[in-house]
Amino acid sequence: EDQVTQSPEALRLQEGESSSLNCSYTVSGLRGLFWYRQDPGKGPEFLFTLYSAGEEKEKERLKATLTKKESFLHITAPKPEDSATYLCASSQAGNTPLVFGKGTRLSVIA
Amino acid sequence: KAGVTQTPRYLIKTRGQQVTLSCSPISGHRSVSWYQQTPGQGLQFLFEYFSETQRNKGNFPGRFSGRQFSNSRSEMNVSTLELGDSALYLCASSISGTPDEQYFGPGTRLTVT
Repeated sequence: EDQVTQSPEALRLQEGESSSLNCSYTVSGLRGLFWYRQDPGKGPEFLFTLYSAGEEKEKERLKATLTKKESFLHITAPKPEDSATYLCASSQAGNTPLVFGKGTRLSVIA
Repeated sequence: KAGVTQTPRYLIKTRGQQVTLSCSPISGHRSVSWYQQTPGQGLQFLFEYFSETQRNKGNFPGRFSGRQFSNSRSEMNVSTLELGDSALYLCASSISGTPDEQYFGPGTRLTVT
């Protein structure tokens, strides 16, 4: 069964303190690895899609990377407005539905 | 461009009742997926519709059903509500019919008492 595991469950950072969130996946024939951000009371907001090992994508203070077993979301010099739950999801070949991890709840303290 | 809209935003129902939730995708998007989000289980896939056809279905009982109309709007129905059905129900649309770049609505918060 396809599984996506995120760690840590919760992370508290000081403003400016860089860190990484981990997403490990077990899926045969990965089609894509997706990152979303979810604020309280809102639906997830799409951030990145990664398709192959070695691929990297950046958006402001966020950079997502992909290996054959894991993806990392690196947050450089975070600000309080980066506080949110970050979700990753995997998809198999053949347009199968996304399988989501349970998320990492990030708090950035000023 | 308007985003994905869901109605109603909040709903309180009693055990045994049924409920219908509505989702309007982004204009031009033909794929609509539904998810259930709970603190314990996270986001779980319910079903996906593309051009009025159900393409994928998650591991939920038959009490959960859905449909899509010719204008891509979608509804999901839950019959014989149980306390465990209390959750945030999210719909997401995509233009390509693949999971790439799904855009989520704000969700419908369903509380079953």
